[in-house]
Amino acid sequence: SQTIHQWPATLVQPVGSPLSLECTVEGTSNPNLYWYRQAAGRGLQLLFYSVGIGQISSEVPQNLSASRPQDRQFILSSKKLLLSDSGFYLCAWTPGLDGYTFGSGTRLTVV
Amino acid sequence: QKEVEQNSGPLSVPEGAIASLNCTYSDRGSQSFFWYRQYSGKSPELIMFIYSNGDKEDGRFTAQLNKASQYVSLLIRDSQPSDSATYLCAVRVADKLIFGTGTRLQVFP
Repeated sequence: SQTIHQWPATLVQPVGSPLSLECTVEGTSNPNLYWYRQAAGRGLQLLFYSVGIGQISSEVPQNLSASRPQDRQFILSSKKLLLSDSGFYLCAWTPGLDGYTFGSGTRLTVV
Repeated sequence: QKEVEQNSGPLSVPEGAIASLNCTYSDRGSQSFFWYRQYSGKSPELIMFIYSNGDKEDGRFTAQLNKASQYVSLLIRDSQPSDSATYLCAVRVADKLIFGTGTRLQVFP
């Protein structure tokens, strides 16, 4: 069966520090991968998505970036965090067009 | 205009009643429609998806789609306190899943 792993679960980082969040999917190949952010009391905002290795589409211009170094690995990064980067970061995958499944999320607090 | 719109609620219903959650979308080319449930502090979990006009039933849940009106709804029969959560409507546009801001449902005993 397919599973999605996301870590860490919680993170407290100072303003200006770097960020790296990792997401991996097991039990499938060539999944579509997504990074969403949910600010407190807000909806899910699509940040990046990838339909294949090295293919990254950015939805929101900001100080975040994403990479897909392997088929089932999706990484969200920042060189310098801002206070506004705080939120609940969610990775999701789908084998094709449907059945989007979310990881357990990373709650990031920038202080 | 937002791509996917939902009433933020809260929608309060008594235990055993039918809860009706609604969603409208703007992109007429949308092909797939999803309902997710999100408990506080947790990640969203998929409840149902629907492609075709009409109703789709799964246990206590029924999704309804009307493409002409660009309207999707979720009915929860025999609501339980454990159904209290935020319900997110999502629409697939090309390779992306676009979410509404969610409706908070409260089921009281």
